[in-house]
Amino acid sequence: DAGVTQTPRHEVAEKGQTIILKCEPVSGHNDLFWYRQTKIQGLELLSYFRSKSLMEDGGAFKDRFKAEMLNSSFSTLKIQPTEPKDSAVYLCASRPGTGGLYAEQFFGPGTRLTVL
Amino acid sequence: QQQVRQSPQSLTVWEGETAILNCSYEDSTFNYFPWYQQFPGEGPALLISIRSVSDKKEDGRFTIFFNKREKKLSLHITDSQPGDSATYFCAAGTGGLSGKLTFGEGTQVTVIS
Repeated sequence: DAGVTQTPRHEVAEKGQTIILKCEPVSGHNDLFWYRQTKIQGLELLSYFRSKSLMEDGGAFKDRFKAEMLNSSFSTLKIQPTEPKDSAVYLCASRPGTGGLYAEQFFGPGTRLTVL
Repeated sequence: QQQVRQSPQSLTVWEGETAILNCSYEDSTFNYFPWYQQFPGEGPALLISIRSVSDKKEDGRFTIFFNKREKKLSLHITDSQPGDSATYFCAAGTGGLSGKLTFGEGTQVTVIS
């Protein structure tokens, strides 16, 4: 079974650029999450979709971060414009629709973003 | 403001020892606490979880102890193995149908032989 796929695995951007990260969830999963991972903060939720509907958009990340679910099997995270403080690992996770909170989130390997 | 806090930030134990990872939270509505394990270059994966109706959950060498009154929990890894070297995240969530988990900062565990 294919797990969560994220591309690219590494991205280097200049300050002010627009970057788009991609995620393919586990087939059949209804819930999709985007997280930012840093050593200081750990995992911070950026966006949460249920059946393609945006449930949460991560509050402090609204301004320059925009996640979309183009269809049930593909999501993007756009950062525009990028800033050096955005350097982090961006993780995508998906979860079956049944089980709610108690169902396991399956994570992709992440995209490591470096903003110069 | 971090709603879920973990300590220590990093921990080194000898093979065969017990590693103890701590987690505390602020929101009294949290009632579900999974722990995720992450190896370098990979995403986190669910290791073990507990609901607030229980005070202990065991799965092999991994045990969660939960203290609802103090809003604290801990993960014990007994007979630690080098393969347990990873970062461990404590997370918390509310309710059965709500989707969101709040994660802590993580504890990096190194097991030396």
